[in-house]
Amino acid sequence: DQQVKQNSPSLSVQEGRISILNCDYTNSMFDYFLWYKKYPAEGPTFLISISSIKDKNEDGRFTVFLNKSAKHLSLHIVPSQPGDSAVYFCAARVGGAQKLVFGQGTRLTINP
Amino acid sequence: NAGVTQTPKFQVLKTGQSMTLQCAQDMNHNSMYWYRQDPGMGLRLIYYSASEGTTDKGEVPNGYNVSRLNKREFSLRLESAAPSQTSVYFCASRRDLNEKLFFGSGTQLSVL
Repeated sequence: DQQVKQNSPSLSVQEGRISILNCDYTNSMFDYFLWYKKYPAEGPTFLISISSIKDKNEDGRFTVFLNKSAKHLSLHIVPSQPGDSAVYFCAARVGGAQKLVFGQGTRLTINP
Repeated sequence: NAGVTQTPKFQVLKTGQSMTLQCAQDMNHNSMYWYRQDPGMGLRLIYYSASEGTTDKGEVPNGYNVSRLNKREFSLRLESAAPSQTSVYFCASRRDLNEKLFFGSGTQLSVL
């Protein structure tokens, strides 16, 4: 039972354009969502998060949007840079729970 | 500033062998976690320790045991390795529930 799904295993975007990574979830009890970025041979690193009381959160080039009615969140990267090439995981948590539930990941490749 | 340190980085085992994966953090974090990453599955929680002296099962605990040796160290033991345990293992830690997870760089384990 995959509660957090990233349906696109890979995405290729031209440098300077917008990258949009998508994530869907099924558990309506999730109230906190995060995006992690992972380079090869390294552990995931935190990128950006959003609480369910918000529908948007920005941090520099990164913006996360949350659509609770659709149980959907997305990560926008503008403009995309070669260093953004990595695997991106979305994750979700039920309030007060220790466990983060991760999606399968999307491999983003930024082409020069 | 080491963060989360995992050893070893690579390991090859034969079916039935045992081994312990070591994890240490130097950030004075209370909670520590063991995840495994498999293709198409994202990261799945094996075990966690919410605080020193406590451990709990995650999503996929079968075949594993853990020990929270002290506040800094959290080890994962495979008593009798199976090919299904071939994976990349990540240790993570955080100060409390409202903070982000910090991950180690991973252990790539192959069980033949």
